[in-house]
Amino acid sequence: EAQVTQNPRYLITVTGKKLTVTCSQNMNHEYMSWYRQDPGLGLRQIYYSMNVEVTDKGDVPEGYKVSRKEKRNFPLILESPSPNQTSLYFCASSLWGSSGAISSPLHFGNGTRLTVT
Amino acid sequence: AQTVTQSQPEMSVQEAETVTLSCTYDTSESDYYLFWYKQPPSRQMILVIRQEAYKQQNATENRFSVNFQKAAKSFSLKISDSQLGDAAMYFCAYRGRYNYGQNFVFGPGTRLSVLP
Repeated sequence: EAQVTQNPRYLITVTGKKLTVTCSQNMNHEYMSWYRQDPGLGLRQIYYSMNVEVTDKGDVPEGYKVSRKEKRNFPLILESPSPNQTSLYFCASSLWGSSGAISSPLHFGNGTRLTVT
Repeated sequence: AQTVTQSQPEMSVQEAETVTLSCTYDTSESDYYLFWYKQPPSRQMILVIRQEAYKQQNATENRFSVNFQKAAKSFSLKISDSQLGDAAMYFCAYRGRYNYGQNFVFGPGTRLSVLP
């Protein structure tokens, strides 16, 4: 089954304790991205990647890190979480680069609800 | 930069009735796609429908259809025969060909309630 697998679904942590949210896709998509969802703000892009070892900042990258060492995996790292990073996080993937890629929608993981106290 | 606006934070509809959710966008590109996503309480993001900018015919998927007005940069979603399971947050999204990696832009969402 084609899917984006994101773990964990729920995470409660304390300020300053490093954490990683994992994301993996099995569709051989070039493009992967992380979003955070906050009430009234929709989805805001944190980081994205167009392929292995190619990553760039989105709209709200402060306090986050990513890496893309393999095509299928795109983990989100919070080195020192703070309460303002309490949010719902989504990983997503899509085709990229080919002429038909523009019609490809984003495929989302099931989300991670992060609470930082 | 492209922007997507959904001017209705909340909407409600009676079961079996029809409702239209609004979406407008701003772009200087001519080649793009527009999408509607549904997010039920399970928080899954589910693709509802997509529309290519070059196609004049409005997309339809069962009870869901769009009214795409390219000149007005408007992309509304019509849900016919509303069902309780349609209650969700709905996001309008834009994907352009040329705005590189940040090529999906989302609106703030409209929360739809379906009244029995």
